[in-house]
Parts: sequence; structure tokens; C-alpha cells
Amino acid sequence: NAGVTQTPKFQVLKTGQSMTLQCAQDMNHNSMYWYRQDPGMGLRLIYYSASEGTTDKGEVPNGYNVSRLNKREFSLRLESAAPSQTSVYFCASRGQYEQYFGPGTRLTVT
Amino acid sequence: AQSVTQLDSQVPVFEEAPVELRCNYSSSVSVYLFWYVQYPNQGLQLLLKYLSGSTLVESINGFEAEFNKSQTSFHLRKPSVHISDTAEYFCAVSRRNDYKLSFGAGTTVTVRA
Repeated sequence: NAGVTQTPKFQVLKTGQSMTLQCAQDMNHNSMYWYRQDPGMGLRLIYYSASEGTTDKGEVPNGYNVSRLNKREFSLRLESAAPSQTSVYFCASRGQYEQYFGPGTRLTVT
Repeated sequence: AQSVTQLDSQVPVFEEAPVELRCNYSSSVSVYLFWYVQYPNQGLQLLLKYLSGSTLVESINGFEAEFNKSQTSFHLRKPSVHISDTAEYFCAVSRRNDYKLSFGAGTTVTVRA
């Protein structure tokens, strides 16, 4: 039982490049989330998926898109990366009440 | 929408001393309350949660938090810290009707020998 897994762990992009962050969970949870973590700001919700086939914007969705591929997988795409998207990205899934987090992806955009 | 305020950004503390991390929240609806811990270069782990019932909740590693509805607070305490408690601690709140989490900015606890 791996919980929530994320790939890659680290990534460096140039401004304007695109990439997809992958997330998978093996806990059979319906709801999944993408957050970004910036110093002094806690975690901010980018997008979430309440169930397979649905996605909704969170607090900071601009510059991102998501796909809920199936119940297990929820990916985050940056179409044209900007330096302001330099951050640590966390995926999470929700059990009955609490959320379970992946190990994170550290993204640097130069 | 709800908001979460963690009143201390950095808390240095000596080993075996007590520590308190303060968290206040605002919400127009009933909420669930959580404390998460993040060790260096890792993801967040649930430390403890308040859902309902007894206002004092405890974790397996000696932390406790008390829900105070009148003061809208959920402060975290430990009577005696260890070096291994060095981490960043996040208070989080979710509304009971949609479960979306709002996080505080975090409190970095540094335990010194």
C-alpha cells in the first residue's frame, strides 16, 4: 500500500516550457487535490476532483489544467511555465475526513 | 470561506521543554480541524484531528490540541519535546459540507539540545 505517489520528485523548466505532474493513489478514494506550497503561505489549493469525471478550480488555478484520468490518477499540467510557478506541488486524496499527501514535486522555472 | 491564522511563524525551544503552537480560525459554518506535520523535504502527515465530541484530542506521539469554539481556536501543545519534533506544523480547517482544506501559513519548530 503505497498511499499517494507523485512523479517526478524534482523538475527544472525554462520559461514557456510545458510539463505534466503525475499523481496516483491506491486507497480507493473518490476525492483528489493539487496544492502548491510557497514559503510563508502554507498550502494553497490549485484544483480538486470530488469524484472521477469531475474537476473544479481552487484558490489559485490560473496557469494550470488538470485531468482526472480514472479513480486512481489525477494529473496537473502547466501549459506554459512561468517563474511564478516555481514551488513545491503536493497531491492529496481524501478518506472519510482527512487528506493524505504525496511526497511532493519540487519545480523550478528559470 | 474560512481562514486560518497561525500566530507564530517560528518557535525555537529546548529539548524536554513544553511547546504551544497557536491556531485561530474563522468560518461561518461548522468545521473539522486538523494539525499536520511536515518533516524536512517530506510531504504532510496528519498529526491529529477534531471532528466532534471531546474537545481535547491527542496524537500517538504526545501532542494534544484543544478545540475552543467560543475563541475559535485549536492550539497544539506538547509537554516535553524531542529533537525529532523539529518540523513545520500546519493548522488546517475544512468545512463540514465540502471538506476543502484551508491551511495556516505554518509554524516552524526548532528543538535544540
